[in-house]
Amino acid sequence: GESVGLHLPTLSVQEGDNSIINCAYSNSASDYFIWYKQESGKGPQFIIDIRSNMDKRQGQRVTVLLNKTVKHLSLQIAATQPGDSAVYFCAENIAQGAQKLVFGQGTRLTINP
Amino acid sequence: DAGVIQSPRHEVTEMGQEVTLRCKPISGHNSLFWYRQTMMRGLELLIYFNNNVPIDDSGMPEDRFSAKMPNASFSTLKIQPSEPRDSAVYFCASSLRVANSPLHFGNGTRLTVT
Repeated sequence: GESVGLHLPTLSVQEGDNSIINCAYSNSASDYFIWYKQESGKGPQFIIDIRSNMDKRQGQRVTVLLNKTVKHLSLQIAATQPGDSAVYFCAENIAQGAQKLVFGQGTRLTINP
Repeated sequence: DAGVIQSPRHEVTEMGQEVTLRCKPISGHNSLFWYRQTMMRGLELLIYFNNNVPIDDSGMPEDRFSAKMPNASFSTLKIQPSEPRDSAVYFCASSLRVANSPLHFGNGTRLTVT
């Protein structure tokens, strides 16, 4: 989930398990959503996106689910690997027809060996 | 394939000094964005450009901040005068100017104002 302030929510998983990271977005009119991964000292890296006319999209080892009824987005990572350790952000485009991405506060994913 | 390039990677300056951050977007991208990241406020959109024209600068905190994009391959974010509360990581991102096109970020400039 998301929180505001100094402390990022943290998800710890065992290597090889599946991870599910959740996000509650704010604007019911948002039409486009993206998940980003940020490693220490780097910029956010695009993982997967989904448009509001879809409820599921799959990539390589990742799946994004969108539930517009409750304004909820999730990222599922299959067979989590050590390289998946990072902070994950969801972002929503709050201006239809434009590109105004608003980011959540992020979730830190840590992998236990 | 070069991504978004930002310089410098780190900047340490004293309060009151002018700071200029630089960005080279991905070739062919015609939208450019400046974000700021802090622990307290997360990632905040400061300003974005389409085809070198500023579209939305509502996120620029104060008149001390200004951004320019003189051509399609270069943008600057300037802070004058800088203050300690401006300390943050500043990211530049670029994208194609089409609806629902993902942003691609640089690795940021870490600014410390003492």
